Amino acid sequence: AQSVTQLDSQVPVFEEAPVELRCNYSSSVSVYLFWYVQYPNQGLQLLLKYLSGSTLVESINGFEAEFNKSQTSFHLRKPSVHISDTAEYFCVVGSSNTGKLIFGQGTTLQVKP
Amino acid sequence: EAGVAQSPRYKIIEKRQSVAFWCNPISGHATLYWYQQILGQGPKLLIQFQNNGVVDDSQLPKDRFSAERLKGVDSTLKIQPAKLEDSAVYLCASSFPGGPGGELFFGEGSRLTVL
Repeated sequence: AQSVTQLDSQVPVFEEAPVELRCNYSSSVSVYLFWYVQYPNQGLQLLLKYLSGSTLVESINGFEAEFNKSQTSFHLRKPSVHISDTAEYFCVVGSSNTGKLIFGQGTTLQVKP
Repeated sequence: EAGVAQSPRYKIIEKRQSVAFWCNPISGHATLYWYQQILGQGPKLLIQFQNNGVVDDSQLPKDRFSAERLKGVDSTLKIQPAKLEDSAVYLCASSFPGGPGGELFFGEGSRLTVL
């Protein structure tokens, strides 16, 4: 069985400050890991994913996440956030066997001017 | 390229009434998913189709929920009779078959309020 825990339900931060959204998972099989983002009034969309290879993955808008197998974590980071990054972020774990996805409960990132 | 289309966007009904949601996936996407997202929680998979066959419906409350995907394209999700706890956003997603790890493309969702 798999599970995923997002450790913060809300993260308020000022513009241009760094941010980290924390995610821990548990699984008895190999996993794929994803971050999906939901901007206000839009559908969920993929931000970045780890399937294999380099443990550090990046998105096109400056976010990065590192797969840490020993700590079973996949934290999302950005060195300097923008107002436009305000959104709900979901950490997702997927079974490499079945492809079944389990979503975390979400973290609301609120970027203040 | 058109995205995943869902309708209606909003629906308010009274308990014990029925409701249906429609989804049209991205053209060429063989896999279609219905998720339920209750306020404050992450999306939970209700049912997954591969073409017009069911891959996983283990978390679908089959006594009141039903879903079909005739002809392997668009899909409908029905709730009958609705309960208060069914108030949620119902998300449809599709993906191009390529094995585990593929990207899901989501619609904007259908928000259901049961009074």
